[in-house]
Amino acid sequence: DTAVSQTPKYLVTQMGNDKSIKCEQNLGHDTMYWYKQDSKKFLKIMFSYNNKELIINETVPNRFSPKSPDKAHLNLHINSLELGDSAVYFCASSQEGAGRETQYFGPGTRLLVL
Amino acid sequence: KQEVTQIPAALSVPEGENLVLNCSFTDSAIYNLQWFRQDPGKGLTSLLLIQSSQREQTSGRLNASLDKSSGRSTLYIAASQPGDSATYLCAVRRGSTLGRLYFGRGTQLTVWP
Repeated sequence: DTAVSQTPKYLVTQMGNDKSIKCEQNLGHDTMYWYKQDSKKFLKIMFSYNNKELIINETVPNRFSPKSPDKAHLNLHINSLELGDSAVYFCASSQEGAGRETQYFGPGTRLLVL
Repeated sequence: KQEVTQIPAALSVPEGENLVLNCSFTDSAIYNLQWFRQDPGKGLTSLLLIQSSQREQTSGRLNASLDKSSGRSTLYIAASQPGDSATYLCAVRRGSTLGRLYFGRGTQLTVWP
């Protein structure tokens, strides 16, 4: 009964490869997010989707492409991986409006690019 | 641009102490402020959310206050326990629903028995 789940949990890959990370939430929320946490533990938003529509695109290279097939899923595809993409990627979800905007985070995907 | 600062960066205390973690933000036009906890190798867990119109929120041994005009929030932890050891993150949301969250770099708390 995990609220926000991500797969895979760990991802080790070579520079130049393409990879995807999947996120699913079973909370019935209408908004989902991708965050990147760098090696210094700084957490920064990448994208947010509300009802499958892109709301925030935070100066992320266009090698990163989010896709939301439905309100419960937000996947992240990364093309031509670079060393600097190594980080922990967190998915989150929330229900907007009426003071209910608490964000719930997934366990993270630890990406290592070699 | 919103900048969020958390002081101290690290804190180590004996069990039983009452603690105050500080968060400051540069732009007072916030929608809400949220405190999170992050355990090593894990995701974030929401602790408290304070709307911009509120002054404080309480949950168990935790109390968070918000002074929007001065750009400050504090997280008060009463009677700390070793299980409270984690990194505590403050995040402010820009001035509307669907606005982005700006995170501080966190306070790493260690409570020793």
